[in-house]
Amino acid sequence: EAGVAQSPRYKIIEKRQSVAFWCNPISGHATLYWYQQILGQGPKLLIQFQNNGVVDDSQLPKDRFSAERLKGVDSTLKIQPAKLEDSAVYLCASSLGGLNTEAFFGQGTRLTVV
Amino acid sequence: GENVEQHPSTLSVQEGDSAVIKCTYSDSASNYFPWYKQELGKGPQLIIDIRSNVGEKKDQRIAVTLNKTAKHFSLHITETQPEDSAVYFCAAVDYTGTASKLTFGTGTRLQVTL
Repeated sequence: EAGVAQSPRYKIIEKRQSVAFWCNPISGHATLYWYQQILGQGPKLLIQFQNNGVVDDSQLPKDRFSAERLKGVDSTLKIQPAKLEDSAVYLCASSLGGLNTEAFFGQGTRLTVV
Repeated sequence: GENVEQHPSTLSVQEGDSAVIKCTYSDSASNYFPWYKQELGKGPQLIIDIRSNVGEKKDQRIAVTLNKTAKHFSLHITETQPEDSAVYFCAAVDYTGTASKLTFGTGTRLQVTL
């Protein structure tokens, strides 16, 4: 079974530029999560989708971050404009959903904002 | 919302010794408690989990215990090996009937020395 795929693996941008990350979850997984992991900290939930609907985006900085999950499969996370404090690893995870809560993570995208 | 605290932040043990990591959670509605291992440059990987109707679960050298009354859960690794060196995260999951919300602890960096 293929795992959660993310791209790119690494990205370096200047502040005020924009950037987009892509995630392809495990086939059949209804729930998709985007987490931000700052160095030395635990992952923090940014947004959670159930199929193509948003379940929780309470911690997403909506003035600069946006995410979509068209057709309930792949997802993109965008930052525009980026700030220095956005430097982090962005992790995508997916799960079957419902009571089956085991989440599988991708390798993440390491973003450096300079 | 849920708040998960994790201790210690760093732990160094000699090969063959045991390691214990402890977590507390705040939301009594949380009903699923996974533990993740994160190696350098990789996404978190599930190593063991426990549901709220169980007090203890064991899988070879790792075990997890749950005290729902006290809202505590712990990870125990016996006979540690160098390949156990990694960052470990506990998490608490609350299934709301619509979706599962996964909240992580702050992580424990485990170093197993020879």
